[in-house]
Amino acid sequence: AQTVTQSQPEMSVQEAETVTLSCTYDTSENNYYLFWYKQPPSRQMILVIRQEAYKQQNATENRFSVNFQKAAKSFSLKISDSQLGDTAMYFCAFHRATGNQFYFGTGTSLTVIP
Amino acid sequence: ETGVTQTPRHLVMGMTNKKSLKCEQHLGHNAMYWYKQSAKKPLELMFVYNFKEQTENNSVPSRFSPECPNSSHLFLHLHTLQPEDSALYLCASSQRMTVPNTEAFFGQGTRLTVV
Repeated sequence: AQTVTQSQPEMSVQEAETVTLSCTYDTSENNYYLFWYKQPPSRQMILVIRQEAYKQQNATENRFSVNFQKAAKSFSLKISDSQLGDTAMYFCAFHRATGNQFYFGTGTSLTVIP
Repeated sequence: ETGVTQTPRHLVMGMTNKKSLKCEQHLGHNAMYWYKQSAKKPLELMFVYNFKEQTENNSVPSRFSPECPNSSHLFLHLHTLQPEDSALYLCASSQRMTVPNTEAFFGQGTRLTVV
């Protein structure tokens, strides 16, 4: 079975600063997908960034980037120039290359302080 | 808006009531999911439907009964629930994973309180 671990239940960062959220996962699969989802206080979960395991290059989406370490099974999210709108729960998720099941971590509650 | 709509947004029900949660997606996806979100716990996958066929049932108690009449609609029928069933219930949809750049799209959830 796949498990996803987010060891930081809560984090805070000053506006305009950089913060890194950690995520580790456990799998015996070689091909899979990793995601970071954001759930603002309004509750609708939206995708922040995705990474295909077969790609060595770390994914980047504007201020969001990941540090994907396949051997270490680590997938951290870096948010640069943090904005107040980044305040949310962030969930790391794993998906095998086949099948339809997403495995989620327990989430990290991020607060951006003005 | 993610294209996935859930109703109602909030629901309070007694343990003897019967109610249904509804989810609708207009994204042309062929997989739909029910997740339970409780505080400080990972999202718990409850059911997966792929092309209207149930492909996953993660040991969910029979007091939760899913229904998928077509690829755009998903229901979760509730009866004789327990207080510990109070949670946020999230619906999601996705294309098959073999489709490039696919992801799960989530609804806003139904906050269920069982009294």
